[in-house]
Amino acid sequence: EVQLLEAGGGLVQPGGSLRLSCAASGFTFSTYAMTWVRQAPGKGLEWVSSITASGGSTSYADSVKGRFTISRDNSKNTLYVQMDSLRAEDTAVYYCAKFPNWNYKYQGMDVWGQGTTVTVSS
Amino acid sequence: QSVLTQPPSASETPGQRVTITCSGSSSNIGINTVSWYQQVPGTAPRLLIYSDDQRPSGIPDRFSGSRSGTSASLAISGLQSEDEADYFCAVWDDSLNGHWVFGGGTKLTVL
Repeated sequence: EVQLLEAGGGLVQPGGSLRLSCAASGFTFSTYAMTWVRQAPGKGLEWVSSITASGGSTSYADSVKGRFTISRDNSKNTLYVQMDSLRAEDTAVYYCAKFPNWNYKYQGMDVWGQGTTVTVSS
Repeated sequence: QSVLTQPPSASETPGQRVTITCSGSSSNIGINTVSWYQQVPGTAPRLLIYSDDQRPSGIPDRFSGSRSGTSASLAISGLQSEDEADYFCAVWDDSLNGHWVFGGGTKLTVL
């Protein structure tokens, strides 16, 4: 069974940092692109960042560019996002999701994790 | 304000058919395929439709999708109470350096 399990969420002060992880199982992690999508309380889905299967190419939403860094360790079947200079508006449930092929363009996410909650507040 | 426009709400009675629209532009829906997701409150999104009109295994054929011009639609026939959820469309947008965009979501109420 394909599974994605996020971890690392919590309460952090504005300006602080947090690293989220997403452990993958049930599929060959190294052959699929991955992504982070977030959902602020009571709001819709917002794409955050994506990475190709090899990790050689990444893409970011303007709202997080320069503050968040997506990465992956294919030997550990794990996706990460390092979040720095956090703001109140980054408060959300963060989902990791996989794409159906090596590239993050054009074809939508097919499997989602259950999410981890990040709260940015003093 | 989402790049893709969906009606915020829809409602219909059990057994009936409902259609949810998703309006975009020439840089997204006009040239790329659309995915649809169902999200029951408090749970993760689930893929319902990919590549405009394809259903993943396990998704009932009551769910169907289509795309024309710069708009896409999700239709649900034979409505059931468990269909009550939020529905989101998503598509790759080729503008700027390229990025994913989501619709604002449609809350479906089964009356």
